[in-house]
Amino acid sequence: NAGVTQTPKFRVLKTGQSMTLLCAQDMNHEYMYWYRQDPGMGLRLIHYSVGEGTTAKGEVPDGYNVSRLKKQNFLLGLESAAPSQTSVYFCASSLVEGGRHGYEQYFGPGTRLTVT
Amino acid sequence: GESVGLHLPTLSVQEGDNSIINCAYSNSASDYFIWYKQESGKGPQFIIDIRSNMDKRQGQRVTVLLNKTVKHLSLQIAATQPGDSAVYFCAELTSGSARQLTFGSGTQLTVLP
Repeated sequence: NAGVTQTPKFRVLKTGQSMTLLCAQDMNHEYMYWYRQDPGMGLRLIHYSVGEGTTAKGEVPDGYNVSRLKKQNFLLGLESAAPSQTSVYFCASSLVEGGRHGYEQYFGPGTRLTVT
Repeated sequence: GESVGLHLPTLSVQEGDNSIINCAYSNSASDYFIWYKQESGKGPQFIIDIRSNMDKRQGQRVTVLLNKTVKHLSLQIAATQPGDSAVYFCAELTSGSARQLTFGSGTQLTVLP
């Protein structure tokens, strides 16, 4: 199993440009999440999904949109990028219940985004 | 020590010594806690978890202690190795929060030769 994968790994955007980050998981997890991580800080939840076709806002949703058309994929979109969105973006997934590790979230390797 | 909100940025230990990383949490309704390790340029990796009905849980070379009275969590790493150098995050899950973990700011552990 590849676990959680993210594309692209790096991206540089100009202010006002748009892009989509793709997250894929092959563990048949119901829950998926998008976080951002800024220097010296922990992860902050942007949006999450509790199942195919559903999405919900997290702690810092403004400026982002998401879609979960397929269970294994979770897309994060930036419609008009701003320098404040320069960050490292992590996707994660988890089981609804149970499993050896309870509610453990499995993370992807991250996407480093710079907005100039 | 680290807290969900405040953090101790760095901790340096000699190779072979034990490390203790602390975390304070503020939500008394949190009932599940996880420690993650994040190496440079990588995503967070699960280390160990603990439910609120437990005080202690042990893994391979790691132990998590939970003190609900003072809302404090600690991660102990025995015989710290160079490969343990990373940022360590604690995260809490609050009952009814749709599996939303709240992460602390992290502690950078540096293992000295």
